[in-house]
Amino acid sequence: DQQVKQNSPSLSVQEGRISILNCDYTNSMFDYFLWYKKYPAEGPTFLISISSIKDKNEDGRFTVFLNKSAKHLSLHIVPSQPGDSAVYFCAAIPVLGGSQGNLIFGKGTKLSVKP
Amino acid sequence: GAVVSQHPSRVICKSGTSVKIECRSLDFQATTMFWYRQFPKQSLMLMATSNEGSKATYEQGVEKDKFLINHASLTLSTLTVTSAHPEDSSFYICSARAGLERSPTDTQYFGPGTRLTVL
Repeated sequence: DQQVKQNSPSLSVQEGRISILNCDYTNSMFDYFLWYKKYPAEGPTFLISISSIKDKNEDGRFTVFLNKSAKHLSLHIVPSQPGDSAVYFCAAIPVLGGSQGNLIFGKGTKLSVKP
Repeated sequence: GAVVSQHPSRVICKSGTSVKIECRSLDFQATTMFWYRQFPKQSLMLMATSNEGSKATYEQGVEKDKFLINHASLTLSTLTVTSAHPEDSSFYICSARAGLERSPTDTQYFGPGTRLTVL
């Protein structure tokens, strides 16, 4: 059963507009969340993370929002650029319980930013 | 940022043969490395966690005798797929965690992946 869900397999956005990528999780033991970006034939690249004690973390054009009660997080990219076109993975770490930090990934959302 | 390499990037082998995949952290020491597998249109699934100098911890459903992991140094981990079969064909990705304190939230840096095709 998928513990981290990205229900939108793809998203298309116009350059300059906001891209919003969504992620839901089911395991209440997750308390650290990350977004990774992946280009074809490359490994995922870390983008931004958020701890469960926060509800927002911002880094340049990227902002991650966390709604713990809804078990939902989202990644906002503004303004979107063509170079942002990639597959975005949401991932979670169950820090509580002595995890070694293994990431549990969603299936990814393919973002296409059109010029 | 930190660089992780994998070799080979692509391998095609016959059923029944063994294949070794190397994962190296090039500019940092990684006390912990992770091996993931990704099937088409699926998420990356953790196979095993490898700590330098100790036995790997395998996830449920992953056969440790089939997927041999060796983490002999702080910069190198290897995954050997023994007696490979067509169903083992997949994209294998390693990651290495930097950080001296082994915090589970230390950033993981991923290799570029290895595409294995078993005929």
